[in-house]
Amino acid sequence: EAGVTQSPTHLIKTRGQQATLRCSPISGHTSVYWYQQALGLGLQFLLWYDEGEERNRGNFPPRFSGRQFPNYSSELNVNALELEDSALYLCASSLVGANTGELFFGEGSRLTVL
Amino acid sequence: DQQVKQNSPSLSVQEGRISILNCDYTNSMFDYFLWYKKYPAEGPTFLISISSIKDKNEDGRFTVFLNKSAKHLSLHIVPSQPGDSAVYFCAASAGGNNRLAFGKGNQVVVIP
Repeated sequence: EAGVTQSPTHLIKTRGQQATLRCSPISGHTSVYWYQQALGLGLQFLLWYDEGEERNRGNFPPRFSGRQFPNYSSELNVNALELEDSALYLCASSLVGANTGELFFGEGSRLTVL
Repeated sequence: DQQVKQNSPSLSVQEGRISILNCDYTNSMFDYFLWYKKYPAEGPTFLISISSIKDKNEDGRFTVFLNKSAKHLSLHIVPSQPGDSAVYFCAASAGGNNRLAFGKGNQVVVIP
């Protein structure tokens, strides 16, 4: 069974540009979560999607947005990139209703903003 | 505001000995706690969890202890093996949702 897959693995952008990161959850999982891991920090919760709807949002500015598609894959968009957006972006998935915190993570997309 | 704190960012331990990782939290609404392990270039993987109604949960070589009054939990790995060398993240959630608050992680190095 395929795990959570993320693309691209690495992405280099310049300040002011937009970045789009993609995530495919484990088959059968309907919930997708996005986390940011900046250097020296733990994983910071960004967004949670379930059944195509945004269910919860972390303390990030509106230029961080996303969506979930009918096949449950998800996109994270970061507009007007700033240097401090450089980080590892991790996507995770879980079964709907599996409120145990057992998330299955992808390998992440490393975004570098120059 | 870091609601989950892991101090002592790195730990070196001899193979066969015990590894103890500590985690403190500030949010009294947290009722479910987890540990994740992360190898380089891989995503975190779930290791073990504990509900706030328990004070201990054991799974093979891994045991998590929870002290609610002190808002503290710890992960014990006995015996430590070289394959345990990884970064360990403590995480917590409240109210049955999967929005996890993570600590910064502890790097564990097990010396053969």
